[in-house]
Amino acid sequence: EIVLTQSPGTLSLSPGERATLSCRASQSVSDNYLAWYQQKPGQAPRLLIYAASSRATGIPDRFRGSGSATDFTLTITRLEPEDFAVYYCQQYSSSPKLTFGGGTKVEIK
Amino acid sequence: QVQLQESGPGLVKPSETLSLTCTVSGGSVTSGSYYWGWIRQPPGQGLELIGNIYYSGGTYYNPSLKSRVTMSVDSSKNQFSLSLSSVTAADTAVYYCARNFRWFGDVGWFDSWGQGALVTVSS
Repeated sequence: EIVLTQSPGTLSLSPGERATLSCRASQSVSDNYLAWYQQKPGQAPRLLIYAASSRATGIPDRFRGSGSATDFTLTITRLEPEDFAVYYCQQYSSSPKLTFGGGTKVEIK
Repeated sequence: QVQLQESGPGLVKPSETLSLTCTVSGGSVTSGSYYWGWIRQPPGQGLELIGNIYYSGGTYYNPSLKSRVTMSVDSSKNQFSLSLSSVTAADTAVYYCARNFRWFGDVGWFDSWGQGALVTVSS
């Protein structure tokens, strides 16, 4: 099973700042088969990024995914008030054994 | 635009069976482009894949839950379902149904989610 470790657990930032979230895999994620989701309180997760760097439909370009092999990053270039949420990564390299990371909370400083 | 909606009891007694149904609108469960999945989230915790199913009936269950899980598809009602037997308090969670993009024949990312259904296991 591919274990995904997200860091930091919590990121305290102000609107307008840049957020950098990390997702590290216990083994190589082939072909960059990694997705990112955003979850707000009381809501279902929303797909942001798939294939490590492709934005889902309707996702603003301030959300940028990057990385390969075992190290992946989600960057929010300039935080908007609605971006404060929990973010999860998910790998599908070991399909059908999909796994999620533990999440990073981006909170208002 | 596809929409998914979970339905089922919000309270289940220990040792009984949890049953949930996901109704799909704006799309078809028989689409060859997707799998259909169940994910759960215990209160204050992260996401756990329960499993997924293809319209033809092929399934994958999380090994940690495999002995207790059954999934099925009802194409006539455009629904898919989850049964989890012998539940305990540890199964208390929000249960999500979601559409899983089929990527080169394999299970990929979840591109649409239901709103979630809180299921509490308690006597």
